[in-house]
Amino acid sequence: NAGVTQTPKFQVLKTGQSMTLQCAQDMNHEYMSWYRQDPGMGLRLIHYSVGAGITDQGEVPNGYNVSRSTTEDFPLRLLSAAPSQTSVYFCASSYSAGLKREKLFFGSGTQLSVL
Amino acid sequence: GEDVEQSLFLSVREGDSSVINCTYTDSSSTYLYWYKQEPGAGLQLLTYIFSNMDMKQDQRLTVLLNKKDKHLSLRIADTQTGDSAIYFCAENRPSGATNKLIFGTGTLLAVQP
Repeated sequence: NAGVTQTPKFQVLKTGQSMTLQCAQDMNHEYMSWYRQDPGMGLRLIHYSVGAGITDQGEVPNGYNVSRSTTEDFPLRLLSAAPSQTSVYFCASSYSAGLKREKLFFGSGTQLSVL
Repeated sequence: GEDVEQSLFLSVREGDSSVINCTYTDSSSTYLYWYKQEPGAGLQLLTYIFSNMDMKQDQRLTVLLNKKDKHLSLRIADTQTGDSAIYFCAENRPSGATNKLIFGTGTLLAVQP
């Protein structure tokens, strides 16, 4: 059981470049989300999705786009990378959108550097 | 996270108890969680507490909740070197028809042998 798979694990971009961080889960989870982790700031929610075709903004959505065309995949797009987007990105999923007692399953993270 | 606060660092000796504290913001949050992050890995759920409870014990872990003060703590008894990690508290904050999980800033626990 692969769980939550993120690719790539590491990426270096130049300012202004675009890229897509991939996230896939094989647990038929309804809820998927993207967080960024920065020192001293914990994890901040970027975007989330409660099902295929439904996405919404989190705490820090600017500069990022998402889509959810299938239950399994939830890619995060950086249209024009900026140094402020240097961070570690985590994808997480949960069985239901209500969260409640269900735990979030996390991917292993993508370390992104924007020069 | 949005004002979910934790102290940044805690150092303890092996065998001692560790207490990690968290202050959250939304009194309507129904569940509160503790996650553990080991180096180079994603987060894993340690335990959770429902908002109508004061305490929950799970083996070496004790969670205390003071809803009036919006204060959550995690006590680890007989702390081991394998407990060295970053610990995040999180609140399940209602947001429209669903909920958002808002994380604290994380506390780095260093266990000295």
